[in-house]
Amino acid sequence: GESVGLHLPTLSVQEGDNSIINCAYSNSASDYFIWYKQESGKGPQFIIDIRSNMDKRQGQRVTVLLNKTVKHLSLQIAATQPGDSAVYFCADALSGGSNYKLTFGKGTLLTVNP
Amino acid sequence: DAGITQSPRHKVTETGTPVTLRCHQTENHRYMYWYRQDPGHGLRLIHYSYGVKDTDKGEVSDGYSVSRSKTEDFLLTLESATSSQTSVYFCAISDPVLAKNIQYFGAGTRLSVL
Repeated sequence: GESVGLHLPTLSVQEGDNSIINCAYSNSASDYFIWYKQESGKGPQFIIDIRSNMDKRQGQRVTVLLNKTVKHLSLQIAATQPGDSAVYFCADALSGGSNYKLTFGKGTLLTVNP
Repeated sequence: DAGITQSPRHKVTETGTPVTLRCHQTENHRYMYWYRQDPGHGLRLIHYSYGVKDTDKGEVSDGYSVSRSKTEDFLLTLESATSSQTSVYFCAISDPVLAKNIQYFGAGTRLSVL
């Protein structure tokens, strides 16, 4: 697959451990946030989203935490599996207005060691 | 890949030749987007469309044009390809009514300009 992992922050964990991936955003007006997963050679895949009126949202094995005060997002993956190895991106947006553009972070490469 | 087909999946071309990439969706989403992805830069928006024949520029639009004559098709054209346009190109779709701000991505087109 293509080298989307070059120049990225990396996180290496053992299978079964919990993973925490962090993301900072810059636009204090953003009110909608998304996490994507991108496996090698594939397009980004939606994982979970959260609106700014929430601090936490849980999905299947994943939890997103939002701290608007410091403009920080985190994605927690419970019981990390080898299939979770990928690049993870956060993105933020203004949900109102006439367009729905997302601003993407550069991503974090997660490697799960068996 | 959420009913999104990108074609071709791989293309090698020479500097100065025109290139057209196609994105086809079966989801009837209103918005369509073209991104490029390069190491160290993450996903960068080239152009987007908010309806048939309605398009706007993104952050890296120079050297690219787009057209949307039908809801389901969004074309990206490089009028005269340059080596700096070697990249992986992703199409995405979204719909504020059907799917909030979530953008769903195609599998990508790897373009090499020699």
